Amino acid sequence: GAGVSQSPSNKVTEKGKDVELRCDPISGHTALYWYRQSLGQGLEFLIYFQGNSAPDKSGLPSDRFSAERTGGSVSTLTIQRTQQEDSAVYLCASSRSFAGSEAFFGQGTRLTVV
Amino acid sequence: GENVEQHPSTLSVQEGDSAVIKCTYSDSASNYFPWYKQELGKRPQLIIDIRSNVGEKKDQRIAVTLNKTAKHFSLHITETQPEDSAVYFCAARAGNMLTFGGGTRLMVKP
Repeated sequence: GAGVSQSPSNKVTEKGKDVELRCDPISGHTALYWYRQSLGQGLEFLIYFQGNSAPDKSGLPSDRFSAERTGGSVSTLTIQRTQQEDSAVYLCASSRSFAGSEAFFGQGTRLTVV
Repeated sequence: GENVEQHPSTLSVQEGDSAVIKCTYSDSASNYFPWYKQELGKRPQLIIDIRSNVGEKKDQRIAVTLNKTAKHFSLHITETQPEDSAVYFCAARAGNMLTFGGGTRLMVKP
């Protein structure tokens, strides 16, 4: 595809359920980032993947959050036992690995936990 | 890790006036500083960026300045227009890790 693609665009889930959010980065982009954006707030870093290196998970807010990236391409962010405070827009971005490479964002997944 | 501070959090200007948004960063290894604009309900998009070997860059009405010694960089928008109203994010990259500031909500009043 031409850009970073995220699915689903919107997700409404019941408190306590698990959800999976998907990100398809731009082909050839080895760096992939997940951010969370609550309504009217900034971009909260969650996790970063670079090629085959171990991901930087320092931003994950709790052990209910996990992410993986298969084959260096598609990434899935999983939230277990969702809570109402998990409601936010989850944004994925990807870039090439060289310094000064622009990061492109997906359109985001709006998660609502009811 | 890197820490990026952005000020102000909100900025209201009259159409035609200039707007300045400032960011500071902590990691001296950071060498790439992009600025993103996020319109309501849309994804952030790059509007301008600067690399550490350059002190200033300009693109029409927007410009960015970088002071590596002081570890701060700024976005300048001249002759603001209502369509400039959005949230602006600065970021700093050390290695491949991209860290964002908290964002500035710019409102341009017609």
